[in-house]
Amino acid sequence: NAGVTQTPKFQVLKTGQSMTLQCAQDMNHEYMSWYRQDPGMGLRLIHYSVGAGITDQGEVPNGYNVSRSTTEDFPLRLLSAAPSQTSVYFCASRRRGAGEKLFFGSGTQLSVL
Amino acid sequence: KNEVEQSPQNLTAQEGEFITINCSYSVGISALHWLQQHPGGGIVSLFMLSSGKKKHGRLIATINIQEKHSSLHITASHPRDSAVYICAYFTGNQFYFGTGTSLTVIP
Repeated sequence: NAGVTQTPKFQVLKTGQSMTLQCAQDMNHEYMSWYRQDPGMGLRLIHYSVGAGITDQGEVPNGYNVSRSTTEDFPLRLLSAAPSQTSVYFCASRRRGAGEKLFFGSGTQLSVL
Repeated sequence: KNEVEQSPQNLTAQEGEFITINCSYSVGISALHWLQQHPGGGIVSLFMLSSGKKKHGRLIATINIQEKHSSLHITASHPRDSAVYICAYFTGNQFYFGTGTSLTVIP
């Protein structure tokens, strides 16, 4: 199993550009999620999904879009990038159930100029 | 309100020292997770525990559900233990994370 595959690792955007961060998992996990990590702050939830066709907002959803057309894929779209979206982004997945561990992608370092 | 507090924020230790990182949370939970974030940025799950104690190698995690407190201990610390350690819990379809404890172990 490859686990959680997240691409790209690094990205530089100009203000106003759009892009998609890709996330795929091969563990048949129902739950997938996107987080951003900023200095001095814990991981913050952007969007999550509990299964194909189902998505919901987390703590910081503004400026981001997601879809879940398959169990495996959960892309994160930045609609019009802003400098405030400069951050490190992580995708993560887990099985449903209270006692299940969270598996993380390797992260994307995004800079918006 | 879902809150997770960790202490200390930063910790520097000499190789071989016994290390304790603390985590307190404000709501009733069924399980607590400990994660490790390597200097390169990758995050891995170390433990998930709902009661008592778990041990993996030199790492020991304990939890007191009634007192809403967990600790992560590292025995005989080594420079390769240098990382950020994060505690978290899952409720209402969301994980809530502490801000992490940055550990540096000096040879």
